[in-house]
Amino acid sequence: GAVVSQHPSWVICKSGTSVKIECRSLDFQATTMFWYRQFPKQSLMLMATSNEGSKATYEQGVEKDKFLINHASLTLSTLTVTSAHPEDSSFYICSARDTSGANPSTDTQYFGPGTRLTVL
Amino acid sequence: AQKITQTQPGMFVQEKEAVTLDCTYDTSDPSYGLFWYKQPSSGEMIFLIYQGSYDQQNATEGRYSLNFQKARKSANLVISASQLGDSAMYFCAMIGQAGTALIFGKGTTLSVSS
Repeated sequence: GAVVSQHPSWVICKSGTSVKIECRSLDFQATTMFWYRQFPKQSLMLMATSNEGSKATYEQGVEKDKFLINHASLTLSTLTVTSAHPEDSSFYICSARDTSGANPSTDTQYFGPGTRLTVL
Repeated sequence: AQKITQTQPGMFVQEKEAVTLDCTYDTSDPSYGLFWYKQPSSGEMIFLIYQGSYDQQNATEGRYSLNFQKARKSANLVISASQLGDSAMYFCAMIGQAGTALIFGKGTTLSVSS
């Protein structure tokens, strides 16, 4: 099946620094990628939809100036957590849609392995 | 608005037994897709099974089957012959006609004992 990679898989940083997380679709083009956030023992919460060549669409309550998303190519989306604080510590997961099918409802979404962010 | 409800925070089952994980959904889209994912402690999301809203038959994938009851808006996952490696968090998810992001339920933690 299709593969989505994320880098880094884990990162520890000091409060106030910025962290960039990359999400790559390795064997298909993804015009749309999604960024999720997951706290321990909770569900995945959608943060934003990343569209290649245009601005990301953020979910209500997600600060777009804090979580910068760039989708510069059909295979790469990046999430930058700016001025990270301990409350930003979480598991961040991206997914990419393979839109080669004719029916959007059956588009397969492939998940990256996730990035565990710890802010000290 | 779309919504996925998983009412079982935790389920316990013994090896080789079958278990049903509940999922109900709500949507106004005439066409939609329902998914089940497994998330072990490593955090990766593992796709298990998919059911389209217009599929006539219930989806099956090996030991996994989806009991789809459209009128009741339920999409329960049945795992037959549970194995120790099935212990994980299980999420039910939906995608609507617009093909937007998956919407997830709160998840069910499954514990399989020997």
